[in-house]
Amino acid sequence: GAGVSQTPSNKVTEKGKYVELRCDPISGHTALYWYRQSLGQGPEFLIYFQGTGAADDSGLPNDRFFAVRPEGSVSTLKIQRTERGDSAVYLCASSLQGATGANVLTFGAGSRLTVL
Amino acid sequence: AQSVAQPEDQVNVAEGNPLTVKCTYSVSGNPYLFWYVQYPNRGLQFLLKYITGDNLVKGSYGFEAEFTKSQTAFHLKKPSALVSDSALYFCAVRDLAENTPLVFGKGTRLSVIA
Repeated sequence: GAGVSQTPSNKVTEKGKYVELRCDPISGHTALYWYRQSLGQGPEFLIYFQGTGAADDSGLPNDRFFAVRPEGSVSTLKIQRTERGDSAVYLCASSLQGATGANVLTFGAGSRLTVL
Repeated sequence: AQSVAQPEDQVNVAEGNPLTVKCTYSVSGNPYLFWYVQYPNRGLQFLLKYITGDNLVKGSYGFEAEFTKSQTAFHLKKPSALVSDSALYFCAVRDLAENTPLVFGKGTRLSVIA
């Protein structure tokens, strides 16, 4: 597509529920990134995919968070047993090549998650 | 580990005046440096980047940034601010010595007053 598409744009859920956030990157971009942006903070790295594999998942805060990219295009961020502290805007970005170098990341508009 | 500091939460400037948004960084090797802008309910948009070479980098919408290695600084500048420049600005760094993704600062809100 023309840009990075994220769905849903807004998600309100209850504590303890399971949530999936979807990212559709720019066609042809092999690298895909998930970041989390809390109120008043900059984007915080979560995970990076190169193709289908997670090249770096060091930013995932705990084992409740998981992400997949089974066909090397669309990615899903999955959060189990959501907690109020998970409330944030989840940003997806893609780039033509990998995380090394000076590749420019193109971001989606984000998915705002609110856990009540 | 790499890090970025944006010392100002908020910068206010009158329309037509020059603006500066400050950024300092810490890396173990040489840096790749970026500036992104975020408008309300929009994704982060790339403004400019420094890789190597000329310390003054020009980017989108008339913005430029100066890389000063001795001060580990990469301040964003514009000679004449517009009201439409009002937004949230993020500095980001990648350390060439470490194979790590982009690390962002906490952001600076720029308000241009007519």
